Amino acid sequence: GENVEQHPSTLSVQEGDSAVIKCTYSDSASNYFPWYKQELGKGPQLIIDIRSNVGEKKDQRIAVTLNKTAKHFSLHITETQPEDSAVYFCAASIIGADGLTFGKGTHLIIQP
Amino acid sequence: NAGVTQTPKFQVLKTGQSMTLQCAQDMNHEYMSWYRQDPGMGLRLIHYSVGAGITDQGEVPNGYNVSRSTTEDFPLRLLSAAPSQTSVYFCASSWGPEETQYFGPGTRLLVL
Repeated sequence: GENVEQHPSTLSVQEGDSAVIKCTYSDSASNYFPWYKQELGKGPQLIIDIRSNVGEKKDQRIAVTLNKTAKHFSLHITETQPEDSAVYFCAASIIGADGLTFGKGTHLIIQP
Repeated sequence: NAGVTQTPKFQVLKTGQSMTLQCAQDMNHEYMSWYRQDPGMGLRLIHYSVGAGITDQGEVPNGYNVSRSTTEDFPLRLLSAAPSQTSVYFCASSWGPEETQYFGPGTRLLVL
């Protein structure tokens, strides 16, 4: 089955700086890659996703890049703000298969 | 719309007891799923359903049963609770496994 590795497990950045979280996946058939944000005591919430026919997608301060050859995708957050502090999960899925395989999460800490 | 609701929010069980975790959604989504979240392990798929009357196993199904008699409800049953089932359980719904997953607020379960 699919295996998703996520790094780093904890990331601390100064407010206003950029943050990058990286994930790799094992199954070359995977073609859907979402990112979820989880705030303390809440369920995960989708923040951005990308499909395999696209190399990059951007939504305001958040962007995701995908390198299918290397089986690698990354989340980029620019101009970080205190409300960006949370746990972020990447995931991968094969369209038509049973569900998402999640990475183990990154705890992002925004230092004031 | 209430979105995805889960009850109870917190439960303490003794080893060997049974219980049902409730999940309901009001978005008319066909796809529903259950995940468990353990520290440092991310979210792991337990069971999922692609529509009423259809269920299937995910990555970690042992010790759990599900049924899907209506589009709205997808309960998760623990027949004989074990300490290894201590976890936070999330229910999610969507139009499909490769579409935005809407997560409930979670049920925190402690098995003594």
